[in-house]
Amino acid sequence: DAGITQSPRHKVTETGTPVTLRCHQTENHRYMYWYRQDPGHGLRLIHYSYGVKDTDKGEVSDGYSVSRSKTEDFLLTLESATSSQTSVYFCAISDSASGSASQYFGPGTRLTVL
Amino acid sequence: TQLLEQSPQFLSIQEGENLTVYCNSSSVFSSLQWYRQEPGEGPVLLVTVVTGGEVKKLKRLTFQFGDARKDSSLHITAAQPGDTGLYLCAGWVQGAQKLVFGQGTRLTINP
Repeated sequence: DAGITQSPRHKVTETGTPVTLRCHQTENHRYMYWYRQDPGHGLRLIHYSYGVKDTDKGEVSDGYSVSRSKTEDFLLTLESATSSQTSVYFCAISDSASGSASQYFGPGTRLTVL
Repeated sequence: TQLLEQSPQFLSIQEGENLTVYCNSSSVFSSLQWYRQEPGEGPVLLVTVVTGGEVKKLKRLTFQFGDARKDSSLHITAAQPGDTGLYLCAGWVQGAQKLVFGQGTRLTINP
């Protein structure tokens, strides 16, 4: 299995509070992704990174920001959490962005915003 | 926004039966991937198909990429309870460095 960890694995927070989720990899892969998974929507891309300090928005980026200061860590921040951001968040890594590249997923973080 | 539609969204069948899951789009993808996800875990890649018309087999699972590279199917022969899970198709958006996922098919195989 690819070395990907996510922390925390579970979090309950209140509306309006800031939240940061961490993704850590030991594979030295260049590409890192943050997705959210909700029933009926599959996985939707929030933000991704194609290198240290190089990030771009996905299809559902509003209300989220990311940072990647080193290869192994990719942080997802909810500046002011809302109930609509209750979801399961997955980090993924890849060594390529070509059409045949495989993505390896972390175990997920279940976030509940009350 | 490219959209991948999976059908059916839910499927419950008896052990030993055959089934097919479909993944359709109006957009062309450079490749199509299929993932399987178990409860409490992240998706795990099963296969990648790249060429239009390509067929790949993984034991009792057969994956096909449509000739026009807009659709794909997953066929399971003689389903077993261990096949139970969420199956996700995903297409690589050419030139955009990202995957687009379908909504998923939740498959239950009853003993």
